[in-house]
Amino acid sequence: GIQVEQSPPDLILQEGANSTLRCNFSDSVNNLQWFHQNPWGQLINLFYIPSGTKQNGRLSATTVATERYSLLYISSSQTTDSGVYFCAVDPPYTDKLIFGTGTRLQVFP
Amino acid sequence: DAGVTQSPTHLIKTRGQQVTLRCSPKSGHDTVSWYQQALGQGPQFIFQYYEEEERQRGNFPDRFSGHQFPNYSSELNVNALLLGDSALYLCASSYNYGYTFGSGTRLTVV
Repeated sequence: GIQVEQSPPDLILQEGANSTLRCNFSDSVNNLQWFHQNPWGQLINLFYIPSGTKQNGRLSATTVATERYSLLYISSSQTTDSGVYFCAVDPPYTDKLIFGTGTRLQVFP
Repeated sequence: DAGVTQSPTHLIKTRGQQVTLRCSPKSGHDTVSWYQQALGQGPQFIFQYYEEEERQRGNFPDRFSGHQFPNYSSELNVNALLLGDSALYLCASSYNYGYTFGSGTRLTVV
């Protein structure tokens, strides 16, 4: 099956810093999503991004499908950005998400 | 508009018991998927229900079963609980595409 790996596994930042999270996947996918899991466990969808670049406020994401990776950029980080960030892919001919290993982000004031 | 609602939020069960978790999907969503998230890991797909039928299943034993009702709500049942079943169980609803996740049920097996 498809393997999804994320890096770095852990990231500690001071408020105001920028960061880049990476997601590598091992095979072609129909779609790719980025999620933020808050401390209470809820997964919040950030981006649907099978290819190209999208921006939403301080967050942006880029997926290069031909090279099987996606990047999530967080600019001017805030303490509320803390949590775990997951990428998840939707393999062809299925309707299920394969999640990556996650990046745990801690932002300190 | 309510999102995905899961109940209970927390649950403690004894090894060997059975448990039922419940999920009410987001309004307008007709498909429900269940995921298991062990501590420190990403969610793992258990199964998906559409039109009251199990449409897809992940690599989970038959102890894990489910049901979808005519109003699209769903239940996840786990029999003969093992310590390793302790996890956060997440429900996601969707329509065509676009997943909305609930806050999960945290199950502890002792």
